[in-house]
Amino acid sequence: DAKTTQPNSMESNEEEPVHLPCNHSTISGTDYIHWYRQLPSQGPEYVIHGLTSNVNNRMASLAIAEDRKSSTLILHRATLRDAAVYYCILRDRGTYKYIFGTGTRLKVLA
Amino acid sequence: NAGVMQNPRHLVRRRGQEARLRCSPMKGHSHVYWYRQLPEEGLKFMVYLQKENIIDESGMPKERFSAEFPKEGPSILRIQQVVRGDSAAYFCASSPEGTGPEKLFFGSGTQLSVL
Repeated sequence: DAKTTQPNSMESNEEEPVHLPCNHSTISGTDYIHWYRQLPSQGPEYVIHGLTSNVNNRMASLAIAEDRKSSTLILHRATLRDAAVYYCILRDRGTYKYIFGTGTRLKVLA
Repeated sequence: NAGVMQNPRHLVRRRGQEARLRCSPMKGHSHVYWYRQLPEEGLKFMVYLQKENIIDESGMPKERFSAEFPKEGPSILRIQQVVRGDSAAYFCASSPEGTGPEKLFFGSGTQLSVL
């Protein structure tokens, strides 16, 4: 199964950028990289996804390495509401299920 | 447009009882996924259903667990003869038909506690 590796936790100061890394060395050529986040006592929320090129949306940016073995989620200005567990996810090849990584617990300091 | 609705939000059962978890997907979505989350862990895939069909149940325990998504009504995750190890948060997600890569919309989950 495709798997991802993320740091267990990270801290950031409010209003500063945050770079959340993810390693996925076994990614296949057609696997999309998805990022979701989970706030306390809630279900995961879609953040962004990409295949090969860097992606931007109103929530975040996704930077994908040229060899696609790693990616970085970028929050340009962290707020207290961004405190959550961030999951880097690959769609398992040949199936419909997503393999959730261990997630990174982001703590935002006021 | 209401989001994915799960109920109950909290469910308490004694060992040996049955638990029924309900999930109403977003309007227009015909694909439903169930995930389980143990404390301090990530989400684990259980089952993927389309209307009246189970597409992938590779993450479902072989016994006591079943899921359905009837033509009318919500998707149901059923756990028979619950044990303490079934205590977890169960999340349902839905996605629209025919889109890809699949972007999932999650409900707020059902927290099952087995006494």
